[in-house]
Amino acid sequence: AQSVTQPDIHITVSEGASLELRCNYSYGATPYLFWYVQSPGQGLQLLLKYFSGDTLVQGIKGFEAEFKRSQSSFNLRKPSVHWSDAAEYFCAGRSYNTDKLIFGTGTRLQVFP
Amino acid sequence: DGGITQSPKYLFRKEGQNVTLSCEQNLNHDAMYWYRQDPGQGLRLIYYSQIVNDFQKGDIAEGYSVSREKKESFPLTVTSAQKNPTAFYLCASSIGILEHNEQFFGPGTRLTVL
Repeated sequence: AQSVTQPDIHITVSEGASLELRCNYSYGATPYLFWYVQSPGQGLQLLLKYFSGDTLVQGIKGFEAEFKRSQSSFNLRKPSVHWSDAAEYFCAGRSYNTDKLIFGTGTRLQVFP
Repeated sequence: DGGITQSPKYLFRKEGQNVTLSCEQNLNHDAMYWYRQDPGQGLRLIYYSQIVNDFQKGDIAEGYSVSREKKESFPLTVTSAQKNPTAFYLCASSIGILEHNEQFFGPGTRLTVL
């Protein structure tokens, strides 16, 4: 079955430290992959998306993600975290032959000063 | 300003009552979606609509109903048949249903059953 997995429920980093949030997918073909961010009590905002081509994708707010087919991963990275990055992050994917976007369970990021 | 609006932001309901959540978009998008969000479970799809006067069940449609009479509106009714309706509800839209079309989300409605 198609699925998106975020292994880390909660991550804590210090402000200025680097960040990597993990996302693994299970699809027969190359999926279309997305990262969204959600501030408490708010809707989701798209950070970046991958469809094909260059496996390193740049997004908003200084985020990037790398698609690695061999590892079935699409990890989100940021070189230096700001306190305002504290939020919940969702990885999502869909394949070419389905109507539905499948979300991971999310990773809550906490940033310490 | 183009976007998606959801109202109300907070909604309280007594057990046994139906309640309707509003979702409006002025993005001229064809596709609209309703998701339910519970802590630790991510987002789960309730219903979606590809075009006016057409909609399909998602993964957890039981106890919910929708209508799509206008392109810009996709209201969700939580019926008394929904066993555990307390949750955060998110509406989204996209240009179309194709796999590469990103979904844009509204700010959400938090429903609490008293």
